[in-house]
Amino acid sequence: KQEVTQIPAALSVPEGENLVLNCSFTDSAIYNLQWFRQDPGKGLTSLLLIQSSQREQTSGRLNASLDKSSGRSTLYIAASQPGDSATYLCAAGNYGGSQGNLIFGKGTKLSVKP
Amino acid sequence: TAGITQAPTSQILAAGRSMTLRCTQDMRHNAMYWYRQDLGLGLRLIHYSNTAGTTGKGEVPDGYSVSRANTDDFPLTLASAVPSQTSVYFCASSSETVTEAFFGQGTRLTVV
Repeated sequence: KQEVTQIPAALSVPEGENLVLNCSFTDSAIYNLQWFRQDPGKGLTSLLLIQSSQREQTSGRLNASLDKSSGRSTLYIAASQPGDSATYLCAAGNYGGSQGNLIFGKGTKLSVKP
Repeated sequence: TAGITQAPTSQILAAGRSMTLRCTQDMRHNAMYWYRQDLGLGLRLIHYSNTAGTTGKGEVPDGYSVSRANTDDFPLTLASAVPSQTSVYFCASSSETVTEAFFGQGTRLTVV
């Protein structure tokens, strides 16, 4: 059974810092790894999708990497801003089965202080 | 574009009553999903549909049913609500099961 873990559960940094959010998964047989952002009381916004054949994806100040062999993904945020404050979720895409398709971690709550 | 629309946005429901949460997408995605999000438990899959006419059970399907009569709509029904079904419900879709997933804004349901 796939399990996804995100560490730390919460993170507070001063504005301008570069930071890394971690995501680990137990079953390396995934087809993709997706990072989401969730603002309080809102839905999930897709940030980056890494296919299983890829090593990383970049969008603006965000860079996500994937290492299937070690069961890890990281989300790197450069030059953090207060507007980056949100909960960041990673989800591992699995092939079928009773668990369905996307298995989520519990998220890292990021606070960027001005 | 609207993407995924969920209705209602929030609802208070008496225990024992039935309710259908609506989900409509305009992206012509084949796959659709229902998740519930609970504090400390994260997002858990309730039911999914890989294509119109087919559905499957996720991690926590008990007490819920779904149907997928067409590509655009994926309603979630609670036949007889219980307080443990108090949660925030998210509908999602993807063009195929292996591609990027998009989420609706959620339905906050309180069962009293």
